[in-house]
Amino acid sequence: QSALTQPASVSGSPGQSITISCTGTSSDVGFYNYVSWYQQHPGKAPKLMIYEVRNRPSGVSNRFSGSKSGNTASLTISGLQAEDEADYYCSSYTTSSSLYVFGTGSKVTVL
Amino acid sequence: VQLVESGGGLVKPGGSLRLSCAASGFTFSDYYMSWIRQAPGKGLECLSYINGKGTNIYYAESVKGRFTISRDNAKNSLHLHMNSLRAEDTAVYYCARDSGGAYAFDYWGQGTLVTASS
Repeated sequence: QSALTQPASVSGSPGQSITISCTGTSSDVGFYNYVSWYQQHPGKAPKLMIYEVRNRPSGVSNRFSGSKSGNTASLTISGLQAEDEADYYCSSYTTSSSLYVFGTGSKVTVL
Repeated sequence: VQLVESGGGLVKPGGSLRLSCAASGFTFSDYYMSWIRQAPGKGLECLSYINGKGTNIYYAESVKGRFTISRDNAKNSLHLHMNSLRAEDTAVYYCARDSGGAYAFDYWGQGTLVTASS
């Protein structure tokens, strides 16, 4: 099972909005609305930010939003803040292995 | 909710190791649980998951036949038995709770480092 494709890095200035893409196939991102996004700071465990494409767990800022079109999902961070600097991973349930596949990861830098 | 992994360490290639994850703060038997690993400087890889009763189990191809996931609901614990370890199995291993219906991992442990090296 190949990893979902994400840009290696995305950057923006404080207050700006950035979008991270996550491209899969018709067996994962395109098949299910089970796309989730995780934030990982250095040396820490990942944290769930978005589930089922666009839903935010309790406690996650509404500056984070998710969407999907076809085989590509997206995470948008609006009003970028210094604390948003981290690695971000998408994930999707997949039919091909009945497991979860993760994205390649995107490093977000706040300029 | 708290998940605490243990059992990581240095092991020679070809060796074995057993990881454990102690769960608390929720009804453990109600949730699917997973093992996910992250090689140094690399991304996340879902290795295996198990349903609440331990009757449905899935493995990634990279570990199928070498790793075995199990759970003890009486002790609120999850395990990963790892055999025939290879250098490429070197990683931080996380246990994570499946959110239950949303197909996402809503709680993660802090991770335990496994190093397979001679």
